[in-house]
Amino acid sequence: GAVVSQHPSRVICKSGTSVKIECRSLDFQATTMFWYRQFPKQSLMLMATSNEGSKATYEQGVEKDKFLINHASLTLSTLTVTSAHPEDSSFYICSALPTGAYNSPLHFGNGTRLTVT
Amino acid sequence: KNEVEQSPQNLTAQEGEFITINCSYSVGISALHWLQQHPGGGIVSLFMLSSGKKKHGRLIATINIQEKHSSLHITASHPRDSAVYICAVEAGSNYKLTFGKGTLLTVNP
Repeated sequence: GAVVSQHPSRVICKSGTSVKIECRSLDFQATTMFWYRQFPKQSLMLMATSNEGSKATYEQGVEKDKFLINHASLTLSTLTVTSAHPEDSSFYICSALPTGAYNSPLHFGNGTRLTVT
Repeated sequence: KNEVEQSPQNLTAQEGEFITINCSYSVGISALHWLQQHPGGGIVSLFMLSSGKKKHGRLIATINIQEKHSSLHITASHPRDSAVYICAVEAGSNYKLTFGKGTLLTVNP
């Protein structure tokens, strides 16, 4: 089946540093990937749509300069949390949509738990 | 903005029981997704449906577009079904999902 690899699974960083999270589709191409955030006991929230070869589109309230998204290839999207603060501590998860697939389910990564100290 | 409500929030069952999780939404949608989130956080897509009913193994998902309601059923539940089940909807065929808060299912042996 289609596999999405997300790395790292856990990361602890100091306030003010940047953290990069990778989302990779292993056995399919994905023109579109999505990034989500989940705070404890809260719903998942869509942060942005990542489009290969073009700029990401961000949901309302998500700072594009703080959450940098790069989707430079058909199998890799990265989310960089810049100048991280403790309030950015959360669970980040990506999903990928196989290119050309219609009415196809999304394939999710296993998520990254970010702790900013 | 679509509001997605799931019930119950928590559900404990004995192995073998029939499980039903409900999802209601407020605005018309193009598709509804049922997802399973494991304790470590990883998510598996169970169903994507826009009408009627789908079945996969012991899992059944139904949707009533007029009533803006969907149900996920698990027959002959097993402890390995223990997880958080999440309902998510998309309004514009663009896979931009709005999520419910999830239902924590615990199946005891």
